[in-house]
Amino acid sequence: KNQVEQSPQSLIILEGKNCTLQCNYTVSPFSNLRWYKQDTGRGPVSLTIMTFSENTKSNGRYTATLDADTKQSSLHITASQLSDSASYICVVREAGNRDDKIIFGKGTRLHILP
Amino acid sequence: EADIYQTPRYLVIGTGKKITLECSQTMGHDKMYWYQQDPGMELHLIHYSYGVNSTEKGDLSSESTVSRIRTEHFPLTLESARPSHTSQYLCASSEFAGDTGELFFGEGSRLTVL
Repeated sequence: KNQVEQSPQSLIILEGKNCTLQCNYTVSPFSNLRWYKQDTGRGPVSLTIMTFSENTKSNGRYTATLDADTKQSSLHITASQLSDSASYICVVREAGNRDDKIIFGKGTRLHILP
Repeated sequence: EADIYQTPRYLVIGTGKKITLECSQTMGHDKMYWYQQDPGMELHLIHYSYGVNSTEKGDLSSESTVSRIRTEHFPLTLESARPSHTSQYLCASSEFAGDTGELFFGEGSRLTVL
């Protein structure tokens, strides 16, 4: 069964510190992996997309990595800010026909303390 | 910023009432989705559509129904609301062909059934 597992479930860090969120998946065949940020009470917003051939991609203070061999991805946040407090959701798309499936992780809840 | 809109943002109603959650997008996307999300939990797909007159049930069984009469409009209806329907409902859209799978989400409709 295709699954996306995220760790940790929740994380608390001080403002200005760095952190790394993990995502392991068993989705096959693999199309792409996205990290979404979901602020409390809002809809998720895409941060990065990783395709099979990509290892690293940055979006400002967010850097995503992908190891397609071990089926692992990480999201590194540098110099955290209070506005980074949110849930971060790893989403993997299964390749295929028009019924391509999108599998969501349960998310990591990140709390930034001043 | 995504051009996808949901109304109402918040709704508190009594058991047995009929409700319709509205979702509209101005991006011309063919694919649209409804997700259900309880607080602190993952998103569950309840309905999706490939285009006009196309509706499919998602992974999570739901007593709600949807319609897709126009490309830009994908309303969700509950004929008789119950307390178990209390949740956040998120609408999303994406391009159909050759896409990389980015989902554009609305702000969500938080439903409370008393």
